[in-house]
Amino acid sequence: EAGVVQSPRYKIIEKKQPVAFWCNPISGHNTLYWYLQNLGQGPELLIRYENEEAVDDSQLPKDRFSAERLKGVDSTLKIQPAELGDSAVYLCASSGPTNEQFFGPGTRLTVL
Amino acid sequence: GENVEQHPSTLSVQEGDSAVIKCTYSDSASNYFPWYKQELGKGPQLIIDIRSNVGEKKDQRIAVTLNKTAKHFSLHITETQPEDSAVYFCAARTSYDKVIFGPGTSLSVIP
Repeated sequence: EAGVVQSPRYKIIEKKQPVAFWCNPISGHNTLYWYLQNLGQGPELLIRYENEEAVDDSQLPKDRFSAERLKGVDSTLKIQPAELGDSAVYLCASSGPTNEQFFGPGTRLTVL
Repeated sequence: GENVEQHPSTLSVQEGDSAVIKCTYSDSASNYFPWYKQELGKGPQLIIDIRSNVGEKKDQRIAVTLNKTAKHFSLHITETQPEDSAVYFCAARTSYDKVIFGPGTSLSVIP
């Protein structure tokens, strides 16, 4: 069974530039999560989708972050414009009927 | 808001010894407690979980215990091996169906 796929794995951009991350969840998983993981810390939820509906986006900084999951499968997380403090690992996870979350390898973002 | 604390932040043990990581949570309505292992450059991987109606669960060298009254739960790894070296995260699912992660414990197993 293929796991959660994320791309790119690494991204280096200059501040004020836009950036986008892509996630393809495990087939059949209706729930998709985007997490932010700062160095030396645990993942923090940014947004959770049930199919194509964002059911929890309370921690998403909506002034610069946006996300979509148009067909209820893969998802894109965007930052525009990026700030120095956005440097972190962005993790995508998905879950099925058991609610067990499976994580992708993450995208490491560096903002210069 | 909801919070999960985790101790210690770093742990070094000799190969073959046991390792114990302890967590506390704030939301008394939390009902699901997963533990994740994260290796360098990879995403967290679920290694064991426990639900609120169970006090203890064991899977080979790994066991978790839960004390709902005290809002404590712990991970126990016995007969540690070098490949157990990683960062371990405890987590709790809150009444709002959100999973809150602890800050992590960096475990080093010294051969």
